[in-house]
Order: sequence, then structure tokens, then C-alpha cells
Amino acid sequence: AQSVTQLDSHVSVSEGTPVLLRCNYSSSYSPSLFWYVQHPNKGLQLLLKYTSAATLVKGINGFEAEFKKSETSFHLTKPSAHMSDAAEYFCVVSPRATGFQKLVFGTGTRLLVSP
Amino acid sequence: DAGVTQSPTHLIKTRGQQVTLRCSPKSGHDTVSWYQQALGQEPQFIFQYYEEEERQRGNFPDRFSGHQFPNYSSELNVNALLLGDSALYLCASSLNSRARNSNQPQHFGDGTRLSIL
Repeated sequence: AQSVTQLDSHVSVSEGTPVLLRCNYSSSYSPSLFWYVQHPNKGLQLLLKYTSAATLVKGINGFEAEFKKSETSFHLTKPSAHMSDAAEYFCVVSPRATGFQKLVFGTGTRLLVSP
Repeated sequence: DAGVTQSPTHLIKTRGQQVTLRCSPKSGHDTVSWYQQALGQEPQFIFQYYEEEERQRGNFPDRFSGHQFPNYSSELNVNALLLGDSALYLCASSLNSRARNSNQPQHFGDGTRLSIL
């Protein structure tokens, strides 16, 4: 079975400082991993995806994540936070190329950005 | 290029009633998945449709059913509504991963907020 653990329920940063949102995964297969962002009363927007092509994945809005198999981690980072980054972030795992896959979500990390 | 669209945006029902939610996938996508997101929780997978058939199902009772049409749009039906069915219902579309032998990302709509009184 696949699962993800988001290590922090809330992360607070100041505008202009780096962002680190932590995620560990568990998977019997070589997984696909995703980060999604959800702004209040909105759907989920795909930030980036890992599907084994490269361990360092660059996404939208300056976010990136590094897949570390030895640590079973897929942490999300951004060099400089912006006020508009305040949202809920979900780390998501899916079995890779097994057909009709579902997404398994972590419990989410609320990012708070202060001026 | 229109993304995933869902209707209605909000809906209020009473216990015991039935509801139908609708989803149009992103242009070019052939696979539709439905998720339930209770307030303050992560989304939970309900089921996935491809080629008008339910292909995979999460841990939801038979009161939850769906349909996919030839144009790839989809409906989610919930019968005998319970208070606990109050949630944001999210539709996601993608290209079929099995056919392409790679995991295709799912793109989400803004959801339907269902409130049960």
C-alpha cells in the first residue's frame, strides 16, 4: 500500500524567506509523487510531479522538490516566499503506471506567510 | 483551453434526498476521478471512470455511484444523503495512464460544495 506523511500540519514563514514543506512516502512500487496546492474555497492545482525522469523536479511559481529514495522523502522548497503562497499544500503518492491509479493524499500542510 | 468544470458550485440538500453532481473534463482528457474532501481534511478517492466504466473504487458505500458519458463527462450520484456527506466534491481528469504506460497527473476542478441539513 502507498501512503505519505506530511511532517508539519502548519508552517509559518516571513515573506522573502525560504519555504520547506516536508513529506515522507511509503510505497511498495516505484511511486509517482506530486505536490498540489489548494487556496481557500478552490480546487487543487498541480505544482509539480516526480515520475522517475529526474530526482530534482522544478514546478510552477518557483517551487521545486527533490526525490530522495534513500530517505523516502519528497520535500517541497521555494527560495523566497510570497504572500500569495499562503495556502494548503498536499503531498500525494500514486502507484506508477499500474493503470487505473488513485491518488493518496497526505494530511496537508498549511503555509502561513507573514509580511 | 477550458480546464475541469464542475456544476453546481454549491448545493443544499436535506437528509434522505438524492443528489447529482456534474463534471466536464479538461479538453483531451479521457479519465475522470471523483474525490470527497470533508472540511479541514484531505481529499479521499471515491472512484475513477474510463471508457464509461468504473475502473477503481475507494472505500465508499454503494450509495455513491457514477456514470461517464461518451463525451467523457461524468456524474456523481449520492442516494439517501447523510449529514456526514457534507463535503467538497472534487472532480479530476487525466489522460489514461495504463494506455500510456506512465503516470498521468490529474487536473482538478474547483469542486461542488454540498451541504446536508
